[in-house]
Amino acid sequence: NAGVTQTPKFQVLKTGQSMTLQCAQDMNHNSMYWYRQDPGMGLRLIYYSASEGTTDKGEVPNGYNVSRLNKREFSLRLESAAPSQTSVYFCASSEEFRRTQPQHFGDGTRLSIL
Amino acid sequence: TQLLEQSPQFLSIQEGENLTVYCNSSSVFSSLQWYRQEPGEGPVLLVTVVTGGEVKKLKRLTFQFGDARKDSSLHITAAQTGDTGLYLCAGASAGKSTFGDGTTLTVKP
Repeated sequence: NAGVTQTPKFQVLKTGQSMTLQCAQDMNHNSMYWYRQDPGMGLRLIYYSASEGTTDKGEVPNGYNVSRLNKREFSLRLESAAPSQTSVYFCASSEEFRRTQPQHFGDGTRLSIL
Repeated sequence: TQLLEQSPQFLSIQEGENLTVYCNSSSVFSSLQWYRQEPGEGPVLLVTVVTGGEVKKLKRLTFQFGDARKDSSLHITAAQTGDTGLYLCAGASAGKSTFGDGTTLTVKP
C-alpha cells in the first residue's frame, strides 16, 4: 500500500519554464491537497479538492493551477515558474470532506527555480 | 490572520528524559492536529483533538487541548531516539487550517 505518491522528488527549473507535479493516492480518499513548505512560514495550502472535478483556492494559489483528473490523481502545474516558487511541495489526502484536516502526506517534491 | 506559535523552536535531550512542547494562539480552533515530520519525508498525522480540555494518549505521547481551544501541548515520556523529528501543530477554524513552524526535537542516545 503506497499511500500518497508524488513525482518527481526533485526538480530544477529556470525562470519562466513550466512543469506539472504529479500526485496519486491509493486509499480511495475524497479530499486531496497541495501545500508548500517554506522555512519560517509553515505549511501553506495552495489548493484543495473535495472530489473529482472540484477544486478550491487555498492561501497561496497565485501562479499555480490544479487538476483533479479522477479520485486518485491531483496534479499541480506551474505555468511560468518564478524564483519565489522555490519550495518543497507536499500533496496530501484525507477520507474527510474537510479542507482543514489532511491525514496522509506524500514525501514531497523539492523544487528549485533559478 | 491566525497565528500558531510553537515552543521551543529547538529541543535537544537525552534518551529517557521527559519533555513538553507547546502550541499557542490567540484564536479559537474547532480542532487541532499534531504531526511528526522526519527529514526528507512528509508529515505524519499523530492525533486530532476537538474538545476543549481533551487529553489523548498515543503510547508515550500525551496530547492536551486547552479548555478554551486556543492552545495545545504534547508531552513525551521517556523519549527515545526514534522520537527525533519536527513536531508540527495545525489549528482549524472557519474552514481554514494554520500550521505552526514546528519544534525540532533531537533525542540523543
